[in-house]
Amino acid sequence: EDQVTQSPEALRLQEGESSSLNCSYTVSGLRGLFWYRQDPGKGPEFLFTLYSAGEEKEKERLKATLTKKESFLHITAPKPEDSATYLCAVNTGFQKLVFGTGTRLLVSP
Amino acid sequence: DGGITQSPKYLFRKEGQNVTLSCEQNLNHDAMYWYRQDPGQGLRLIYYSQIVNDFQKGDIAEGYSVSREKKESFPLTVTSAQKNPTAFYLCASRTAGNTGELFFGEGSRLTVL
Repeated sequence: EDQVTQSPEALRLQEGESSSLNCSYTVSGLRGLFWYRQDPGKGPEFLFTLYSAGEEKEKERLKATLTKKESFLHITAPKPEDSATYLCAVNTGFQKLVFGTGTRLLVSP
Repeated sequence: DGGITQSPKYLFRKEGQNVTLSCEQNLNHDAMYWYRQDPGQGLRLIYYSQIVNDFQKGDIAEGYSVSREKKESFPLTVTSAQKNPTAFYLCASRTAGNTGELFFGEGSRLTVL
């Protein structure tokens, strides 16, 4: 069964304290891994797509990387406005994405 | 601006009533999806449609129904047969094919009283 696991469930950082979120997956055939940001009461906002091991994408303070078994979302010098839930999803090629349960990030001033 | 519009944002329903959630997109996307989000769980697929007048059940279709009469629209009806309908519902779309990212609407929160 296709499965996506995100860790930690919650993470609290001080402003400027860099860290990483993990997304590990077990799927029959990976056709893309996606990272989303979700604010409370809102729909997920697309951040990155990664397709092959070794691929990296960056956007402002965020950097996503991919290996054959997991992906990391690195947050460098976070700010309070980076506080949100970060979702990981994998595309297995059967017209649906399998989502993880997310990591709730809180960045304190 | 292109995007996905869901309405209403908040909806209250009495037990035994059917309700319909609206989803409209102007991104010219062929495929549209409905997901359900509950606390502590990942998004779960209810229904999806790859083309007008065609749709398929997702993982949790029981108690829900959809239609796809127009490319831009994919309404979801939560029927009285859905035993636990209180949730946050998300509509999404993407271009044809099977590799692109999903774009989401802002969601509709349904509460059963």
